[in-house]
Amino acid sequence: DQQVKQNSPSLSVQEGRISILNCDYTNSMFDYFLWYKKYPAEGPTFLISISSIKDKNEDGRFTVFLNKSAKHLSLHIVPSQPGDSAVYFCAARVFLTGGGNKLTFGTGTQLKVEL
Amino acid sequence: SQTIHQWPATLVQPVGSPLSLECTVEGTSNPNLYWYRQAAGRGLQLLFYSIGIDQISSEVPQNLSASRPQDRQFILSSKKLLLSDSGFYLCAWSVKEGLLKNTEAFFGQGTRLTVV
Repeated sequence: DQQVKQNSPSLSVQEGRISILNCDYTNSMFDYFLWYKKYPAEGPTFLISISSIKDKNEDGRFTVFLNKSAKHLSLHIVPSQPGDSAVYFCAARVFLTGGGNKLTFGTGTQLKVEL
Repeated sequence: SQTIHQWPATLVQPVGSPLSLECTVEGTSNPNLYWYRQAAGRGLQLLFYSIGIDQISSEVPQNLSASRPQDRQFILSSKKLLLSDSGFYLCAWSVKEGLLKNTEAFFGQGTRLTVV
């Protein structure tokens, strides 16, 4: 049961344009949503997050939008740069009693920013 | 500052051999610890998480086990590897926070395991 889904395995965008990566989820218990960026043979690095009580969070070129009614979130990168080329993972957090929490990841979207 | 160390970076093991991957975190105490696996062409699958010493939760039934003998040490093991255990294994940590406080996970560099 895939609770976090990224239906586009790849996306190609021209440098300077906007990249939009999408993510859908099914579990209403998720309280935080995060985006990670991953290069080959490296661990993912955290990009940006959004609380379930917000609908937008912006950090420089990166903006995450959350539509709770649709159980959908998206990551906007503008302007896109060649260095943004990587796999982007959407993740959702469940808070556990005792201070624990766990992240459920989507399958990732390979972004390629072309010159 | 906090750092996470994971080793080895690559490993080739024969089917039926044992496995031990080690992960340590520095610069923090009482972290949540995680083991993830990325199989070829797939996303990150949570294998185990731990909120404290000797407190391990398993997410999927499998040929692997995890242990946390010390606060900042997390070990992934197998007694007999299968071909299907091949993949990219990632250790991660996060701080403990309350509800509605973000707690992003920080990942190690990963171990590429190939079972032959």
